[in-house]
Amino acid sequence: EADIYQTPRYLVIGTGKKITLECSQTMGHDKMYWYQQDPGMELHLIHYSYGVNSTEKGDLSSESTVSRIRTEHFPLTLESARPSHTSQYLCASSEGPQYFGPGTRLLVL
Amino acid sequence: AQSVSQHNHHVILSEAASLELGCNYSYGGTVNLFWYVQYPGQHLQLLLKYFSGDPLVKGIKGFEAEFIKSKFSFNLRKPSVQWSDTAEYFCAGRFGNEKLTFGTGTRLTIIP
Repeated sequence: EADIYQTPRYLVIGTGKKITLECSQTMGHDKMYWYQQDPGMELHLIHYSYGVNSTEKGDLSSESTVSRIRTEHFPLTLESARPSHTSQYLCASSEGPQYFGPGTRLLVL
Repeated sequence: AQSVSQHNHHVILSEAASLELGCNYSYGGTVNLFWYVQYPGQHLQLLLKYFSGDPLVKGIKGFEAEFIKSKFSFNLRKPSVQWSDTAEYFCAGRFGNEKLTFGTGTRLTIIP
């Protein structure tokens, strides 16, 4: 079982609020990823990092930003949440196969 | 561009039936291929992976997949499904870099 954690698991928030989704892993993996997944749909890569101070945008354009100050921590921030940001956000890390966290389900009203 | 296709969007089977879920990819170079499963309310879990070597790979819970390079396929199989196999199954590929490309997923429903 991979040790990768995401908080919060569920978040309901109003439009315009700033939010940060937390992701941490205890496996010492250099590579970490954020995916966005709508119900019943495929996963879309929105951000990834290959190590500390390394961040890149993924295949799907996103208004979110990420940071990687520590190996184990890869938070995702939305400066001003909108209803179109409603989705599930999955964090993963890898040294080989990717291991996924439980996800954060975000609802923006 | 690289892509992964899963043509079965929703499969419904009775318990003890045999299962085969299709996965095709488009890429001409070396690939790493994966099947992930997402049980209701749970996070994505790795079922099995292919990096190199024996094209028939065995995963957890009795699943296996066969890499057929000539067909660009990596179909998932299980000889006898159980009700607990009800889940969403995602095929994914890694094509020459560290990023994963996912298919759209196949929802599997097993009828007791």
